[in-house]
Amino acid sequence: KAGVTQTPRYLIKTRGQQVTLSCSPISGHRSVSWYQQTPGQGLQFLFEYFSETQRNKGNFPGRFSGRQFSNSRSEMNVSTLELGDSALYLCASSRTYTYEQYFGPGTRLTVT
Amino acid sequence: EDKVVQSPLSLVVHEGDTVTLNCSYEVTNFRSLLWYKQEKKAPTFLFMLTSSGIEKKSGRLSSILDKKELFSILNITATQTGDSAVYLCAVNNQGGKLIFGQGTELSVKP
Repeated sequence: KAGVTQTPRYLIKTRGQQVTLSCSPISGHRSVSWYQQTPGQGLQFLFEYFSETQRNKGNFPGRFSGRQFSNSRSEMNVSTLELGDSALYLCASSRTYTYEQYFGPGTRLTVT
Repeated sequence: EDKVVQSPLSLVVHEGDTVTLNCSYEVTNFRSLLWYKQEKKAPTFLFMLTSSGIEKKSGRLSSILDKKELFSILNITATQTGDSAVYLCAVNNQGGKLIFGQGTELSVKP
């Protein structure tokens, strides 16, 4: 069974630009969660989608948004990028929220 | 405020040693506690615990949860250099949201 895939794996953007990251969950998984990982803050929850609906949202500004499609694939968007948005963005999928989450390889975003 | 605290933050041992990693939590509406291993890449799932006192085991790794005292431990016996990694503890308290601890960085010397 294929694991969680994320594209792109690496991305360099400049301040003020916007970026879209993509996540394809494990086949049969309907829940997709997004996390930001930085050396200073560790892993922090961004949001979670289930059946195309955002069910939970973390404490991030409105510049961070996401969506989920009918095939469970998910995208997250960050607008007006700031230097502090440089991080590893991880998505994780699970069958439903009661099951364990499996992480994708992440997208390393660098904002210059 | 919900929080997950891991200890120690870092640990250096020699091959063959046994280690115990700790995770304590204070969260509302606890659903489950998960352990992950992270080696310079995405976290790899190890265990999910939902009930107190039931040990989960996989090879040299084992874990147990105490919901009364609000903590979990992860044991690794006969450590190997391949066990070197950051071990993350996370608690699921609200749908698909995981609250992570700071992680324990384990270094196993030959």
